[in-house]
Amino acid sequence: AQTVTQSQPEMSVQEAETVTLSCTYDTSESNYYLFWYKQPPSRQMILVIRQEAYKQQNATENRFSVNFQKAAKSFSLKISDSQLGDTAMYFCALPGGSEKLVFGKGTKLTVNP
Amino acid sequence: AAGVIQSPRHLIKEKRETATLKCYPIPRHDTVYWYQQGPGQDPQFLISFYEKMQSDKGSIPDRFSAQQFSDYHSELNMSSLELGDSALYFCASSLGPSGGASSTDTQYFGPGTRLTVL
Repeated sequence: AQTVTQSQPEMSVQEAETVTLSCTYDTSESNYYLFWYKQPPSRQMILVIRQEAYKQQNATENRFSVNFQKAAKSFSLKISDSQLGDTAMYFCALPGGSEKLVFGKGTKLTVNP
Repeated sequence: AAGVIQSPRHLIKEKRETATLKCYPIPRHDTVYWYQQGPGQDPQFLISFYEKMQSDKGSIPDRFSAQQFSDYHSELNMSSLELGDSALYFCASSLGPSGGASSTDTQYFGPGTRLTVL
């Protein structure tokens, strides 16, 4: 069964600084996608970025980028130039069979002014 | 761009009552997923549908049922509500499964329905 582990329950960062959120996972699949979702205080689940496991190049979306280490089964999210609006819960997710998503427990990120 | 629509956004029910949650996927998306998120928890998969057929089932109580209609919208029916059913219920949609556990289909989430059982 697929598992996702986020070892940092809470993190904080100063505005304009860079922060990295960690995620490790386990899957028996050879081809898969990985996702980071953001859940702000409104509790909407917003897709931040996705990574295709067969691609060696790390995905980037504006200030958000990933460090994908397939052999180590690691998928960290880097947020550059942090903004107050980045304050949210961040979930790492992996398809767990029949396409349903398996989520980590989340990392609560607070961006301080 | 059109997003996933869920209704109602908030719902308050008494114990033992029945609730129906509705989900309208993004146009052309044929797959719908339901998730339950308790306070301070990660979302937990309940059930999914592809082309109007149930495609997978998670930790969904027998008191809950769901279906996907010909226009691809889905409804989650919850009966004999319990206090523990209070949670945020998300619907997500995607463009069909690619087969097996290798997903190429990104799931887009609706705003959720907050159910409170008193």
